[in-house]
Amino acid sequence: GQQVMQIPQYQHVQEGEDFTTYCNSSTTLSNIQWYKQRPGGHPVFLIQLVKSGEVKKQKRLTFQFGEAKKNSSLHITATQTTDVGTYFCAGNYGNKLVFGAGTILRVKS
Amino acid sequence: GAVVSQHPSRVICKSGTSVKIECRSLDFQATTMFWYRQFPKQSLMLMATSNEGSKATYEQGVEKDKFLINHASLTLSTLTVTSAHPEDSSFYICSAAGQGNEQYFGPGTRLTVT
Repeated sequence: GQQVMQIPQYQHVQEGEDFTTYCNSSTTLSNIQWYKQRPGGHPVFLIQLVKSGEVKKQKRLTFQFGEAKKNSSLHITATQTTDVGTYFCAGNYGNKLVFGAGTILRVKS
Repeated sequence: GAVVSQHPSRVICKSGTSVKIECRSLDFQATTMFWYRQFPKQSLMLMATSNEGSKATYEQGVEKDKFLINHASLTLSTLTVTSAHPEDSSFYICSAAGQGNEQYFGPGTRLTVT
């Protein structure tokens, strides 16, 4: 079946450092979505990437979709304590989302 | 953004009883809703896709007779965990599909079966 691999599982950074999480799909995706889940909360939609090679920015967050539409990354520049949480990618296979395992981000102030 | 509510937020029940969880889209109509299960510090596992007015589509390994899904209106889907057992204890989250394929998640329901 469809699988989305996400790494790293966990990252602990000093405030101000950058952070990146990567996702890889075994098959081509129609699109990929990113969600953030704060501790004790529910996933919140961040962005959707559709086009091959697409790059989108949201303030300090940069999202990329690979040329082959099989991989994606989320990069946070100069992390802040408000960035803590779990970041999930979700590959869209038709009408169904398959979530990656998530990357837990902790930020030390 | 779109708002999805879920009720109850937390429920404790005895083994063998049934529990119903409601998922509502508050400010938009959702023809498709999804039910997920999430274990602590793990990812979301899709259980089933709920379509308004038709039968739900269950993922492989999910017992449809145990997890009953009803999507009777464009704003409400329900998940009933029948004859619950301790291994059914988990965090259940619903989501509603937006116009652009994005999903809006409810706050989740933590089920504990004793």
